[in-house]
Amino acid sequence: EAGVTQFPSHSVIEKGQTVTLRCDPISGHDNLYWYRRVMGKEIKFLLHFVKESKQDESGMPNNRFLAERTGGTYSTLKVQPAELEDSGVYFCASSQDGFLWGTRTDTQYFGPGTRLTVL
Amino acid sequence: DAKTTQPPSMDCAEGRAANLPCNHSTISGNEYVYWYRQIHSQGPQYIIHGLKNNETNEMASLIITEDRKSSTLILPHATLRDTAVYYCIVRVGGTSGTYKYIFGTGTRLKVLA
Repeated sequence: EAGVTQFPSHSVIEKGQTVTLRCDPISGHDNLYWYRRVMGKEIKFLLHFVKESKQDESGMPNNRFLAERTGGTYSTLKVQPAELEDSGVYFCASSQDGFLWGTRTDTQYFGPGTRLTVL
Repeated sequence: DAKTTQPPSMDCAEGRAANLPCNHSTISGNEYVYWYRQIHSQGPQYIIHGLKNNETNEMASLIITEDRKSSTLILPHATLRDTAVYYCIVRVGGTSGTYKYIFGTGTRLKVLA
């Protein structure tokens, strides 16, 4: 079974340009998450989709970031316009809800990430 | 904001057990502890998770203290391929009943030959 895939693996753009990152989750996973790690910081949550709906976008840094998941399959994360502080590694993860001992569990499986460099 | 504290780095001799500690003193009663590791240029890889009982799988064991304020990940026989950054994560409830991971800064484990 294929894991989570992300494209591109690397992207180098200039400040003010637009970049779109893509994530393909594991087939059948309704939950899709975006995280990112900027230089010197820990990995931080950006947002969570359940199918095509945004369930939690509390981690999105500002309105220059737009995430979509049309049709509930793959997702895109667009940064427009990109700023220097957006440089970092953007991870996507997916999960399928399950229940264990009456408690919801959802182990998240991560993709390899997209390394974004804004010059 | 990070809910976990880990030592920044540790060394372990090959073939010995690696014990990686994590403090999560502000964890809430329904928040799980997850452990992942990241090998250079790959995404975080799931290892194990638990709520309050000790857990074991084919990769590792997780020991959670009775008060749940700390835990230890144990790799029973470390190999060179276990060299990685290990993240102790608290899974918190988000809005609308969803969950998100709160990552710490991780421990860089180096297994020595």
